[in-house]
Amino acid sequence: NAGVTQTPKFRVLKTGQSMTLLCAQDMNHEYMYWYRQDPGMGLRLIHYSVGEGTTAKGEVPDGYNVSRLKKQNFLLGLESAAPSQTSVYFCASSYGASFRDEQFFGPGTRLTVL
Amino acid sequence: DQQVKQNSPSLSVQEGRISILNCDYTNSMFDYFLWYKKYPAEGPTFLISISSIKDKNEDGRFTVFLNKSAKHLSLHIVPSQPGDSAVYFCAAMGGAGSYQLTFGKGTKLSVIP
Repeated sequence: NAGVTQTPKFRVLKTGQSMTLLCAQDMNHEYMYWYRQDPGMGLRLIHYSVGEGTTAKGEVPDGYNVSRLKKQNFLLGLESAAPSQTSVYFCASSYGASFRDEQFFGPGTRLTVL
Repeated sequence: DQQVKQNSPSLSVQEGRISILNCDYTNSMFDYFLWYKKYPAEGPTFLISISSIKDKNEDGRFTVFLNKSAKHLSLHIVPSQPGDSAVYFCAAMGGAGSYQLTFGKGTKLSVIP
């Protein structure tokens, strides 16, 4: 059981470049989430998905797009990267959406935009 | 405006003593509170939680207290161990149909052997 995995672990982009972060979970969870964590800040929700084929905006969605074509995968895309998107990105998944459903987090992707 | 506040960026405690991490919130719609623990280069992991209908929840060395009237919660770790050294995030969720987690900035706990 790998849990939640994220690819890549590190990435450096130039302003204007695009990239996709991949999140995969093997726990058959319905719900998946993308967060970002900036220095000295808590995690903030970017986008989330309540099931295959569905996505919704979180607290800080601007500049990102997401897709959930398969239940086990949740992709986060940056179409035109900006320095303000330099951050650590965490993916999480949960079985359900109630307070009893623990969110399991991946190890994070450290992204630097120059 | 920050809805979940952890006003102490760091805390140092001697091994064997009690660690107390504090968290305040402003949104009265929050009805469930969680603590996550994070080691460097890893994702956060769930530690303990409490519903707003309770004022205390205990799990081994970890106890969370909730003072709803003061909109304050605290995490007690007794006794503290060096392996407890990590960043601790307070998080909240609440309101009907709202299952999004709102995180505080975190408190870095250092347990000194």
